[in-house]
Amino acid sequence: AQKVTQAQTEISVVEKEDVTLDCVYETRDTTYYLFWYKQPPSGELVFLIRRNSFDEQNEISGRYSWNFQKSTSSFNFTITASQVVDSAVYFCALSEGLGDMRFGAGTRLTVKP
Amino acid sequence: DGGITQSPKYLFRKEGQNVTLSCEQNLNHDAMYWYRQDPGQGLRLIYYSQIVNDFQKGDIAEGYSVSREKKESFPLTVTSAQKNPTAFYLCASSPISDTQYFGPGTRLTVL
Repeated sequence: AQKVTQAQTEISVVEKEDVTLDCVYETRDTTYYLFWYKQPPSGELVFLIRRNSFDEQNEISGRYSWNFQKSTSSFNFTITASQVVDSAVYFCALSEGLGDMRFGAGTRLTVKP
Repeated sequence: DGGITQSPKYLFRKEGQNVTLSCEQNLNHDAMYWYRQDPGQGLRLIYYSQIVNDFQKGDIAEGYSVSREKKESFPLTVTSAQKNPTAFYLCASSPISDTQYFGPGTRLTVL
């Protein structure tokens, strides 16, 4: 069975600090996909990134970066030089195929000015 | 604009009533999904559909029903059999086996 664990329930940082959100997953499949979504106070989930299990290259997109390590079953998300607009709940998710996406419980990030 | 719309944004229901939440997409996606989110928790899958006139139960389908008569539409009915329906409901769509994109959600409150 697939499972996603986000151990950090809440994180609070001051603007311009770097912050890393942890995500650990469990799956028996060799082919799977990992996702990060952002949920701002408005409630809509915003897609951030999708990685497949065969691509362990780290990815950077502006202030966002993702570290995928199959050896530790982790897919961590780092925000560099955080801003107040980054305040949201962030979800990590795992999919093994059709209609079976599993979400972690989410990490609430608060960035204070 | 292309996207996913959900209506209404807020919905109030009396106990014992059935209510239907709307979800429409114009992204030409084959698959559509319904999730429930409770405070401080992740999303749980209620139903999903990969093709018109076909759908499958997710983890928490009891007390809910869906239909998929058109590719663009996937309405969710919360029946009186759902004992604790107060939650935030999110609809998503995707191409088959691809990234899911979400609508703005409907917040349902039982009075």
